[in-house]
Amino acid sequence: AQRVTQPEKLLSVFKGAPVELKCNYSYSGSPELFWYVQYSRQRLQLLLRHISRESIKGFTADLNKGETSFHLKKPFAQEEDSAMYYCALSRNTGNQFYFGTGTSLTVIP
Amino acid sequence: GAVVSQHPSRVICKSGTSVKIECRSLDFQATTMFWYRQFPKQSLMLMATSNEGSKATYEQGVEKDKFLINHASLTLSTLTVTSAHPEDSSFYICSAAGTSGLYNEQFFGPGTRLTVL
Repeated sequence: AQRVTQPEKLLSVFKGAPVELKCNYSYSGSPELFWYVQYSRQRLQLLLRHISRESIKGFTADLNKGETSFHLKKPFAQEEDSAMYYCALSRNTGNQFYFGTGTSLTVIP
Repeated sequence: GAVVSQHPSRVICKSGTSVKIECRSLDFQATTMFWYRQFPKQSLMLMATSNEGSKATYEQGVEKDKFLINHASLTLSTLTVTSAHPEDSSFYICSAAGTSGLYNEQFFGPGTRLTVL
């Protein structure tokens, strides 16, 4: 069965500091990995996906199949990055997404 | 981007009543919609996958007779919580599968807060 683990429920960093939100997954096939973000009082929205290899709002994430990880990183955190971040996995068949428990990021001014 | 709406945004009902929640894709056709449940300070839990014109596929542990899903058109899926009880109180979120550029993506609704008294 597929599983997504985000070990940190809460993460606080100072503005301008680097930030890394951890995500590990377990799945026997070749999954697609995503990061979704939920800003205060807004709906869940896609931040980035591993397949497109983009940098969105300064965030990047690299899929490490050996470590089964998909950590989200940003070199210099901004206050507007404060939000709830969810790592998600989609199986290579079908469109179902499976979410991690989420990490609440607070960027301290 | 694609927009998904949910109605109502908030509902309070008495125990034993049934509640219907609508999920609409406003500017695209969604052959597949998904229903999630989110408990306070917890992650989203996939309840079921809803395909237009066919029966929904429920995740393990989700009672299909309790949570009735209908996907009658390419833009509308409904979730009916039958004979609701206080333990059904939760935040229900739908999403619709569509495309964003070259990639498949899920677009999320704003959620419905259900409180059963």
